[in-house]
Amino acid sequence: NAGVTQTPKFQVLKTGQSMTLQCAQDMNHNSMYWYRQDPGMGLRLIYYSASEGTTDKGEVPNGYNVSRLNKREFSLRLESAAPSQTSVYFCASSVGDRDSGNTIYFGEGSWLTVV
Amino acid sequence: AQSVAQPEDQVNVAEGNPLTVKCTYSVSGNPYLFWYVQYPNRGLQFLLKYITGDNLVKGSYGFEAEFNKSQTSFHLKKPSALVSDSALYFCAVLDSGGYQKVTFGIGTKLQVIP
Repeated sequence: NAGVTQTPKFQVLKTGQSMTLQCAQDMNHNSMYWYRQDPGMGLRLIYYSASEGTTDKGEVPNGYNVSRLNKREFSLRLESAAPSQTSVYFCASSVGDRDSGNTIYFGEGSWLTVV
Repeated sequence: AQSVAQPEDQVNVAEGNPLTVKCTYSVSGNPYLFWYVQYPNRGLQFLLKYITGDNLVKGSYGFEAEFNKSQTSFHLKKPSALVSDSALYFCAVLDSGGYQKVTFGIGTKLQVIP
């Protein structure tokens, strides 16, 4: 049982380049998330998908787009990378049931550097 | 809007001593509260959560947390710290009456000294 799998693990981009971070979960979860983690800032939500077919903006959506391809997969795209997007990106998923506490499970992270 | 505060950037404790990592929260309704741990270069791992019921919640690796509604706190505790507990700890909150988005604190680095 792999849980949440995200690729690539490491990537270096030049300013202006585009790339897509891929994420898949095998826990049959309804909700999926993309977070970024920066020193002193904690985790900030970029986008989330409450269920298949829906996506919504989080705290810091500018410069990003997402696609909920199916129930398993949720990708994050940087259309024109900027140095400010240098960060560690985490994909996550949850059952999406608030009554059960909506525990979130995380992938191992993707380290992105924009030069 | 919901929020969570972790007032200490770093906590140092000697191996074998009890440890406490502090967390306070703010929500408009009843809170769902979580603790996660992050080891270097890894993702966050779920430790424990409080939804309702007993104020003392037990979780993985011998950790527990105490929910205190009057003080709006959810401090993480362990009776005897291990060097392997050294990591970054995140508190998180979900407003049971609001959206399902979980809000995370900025994290507290726990250093257990041999």
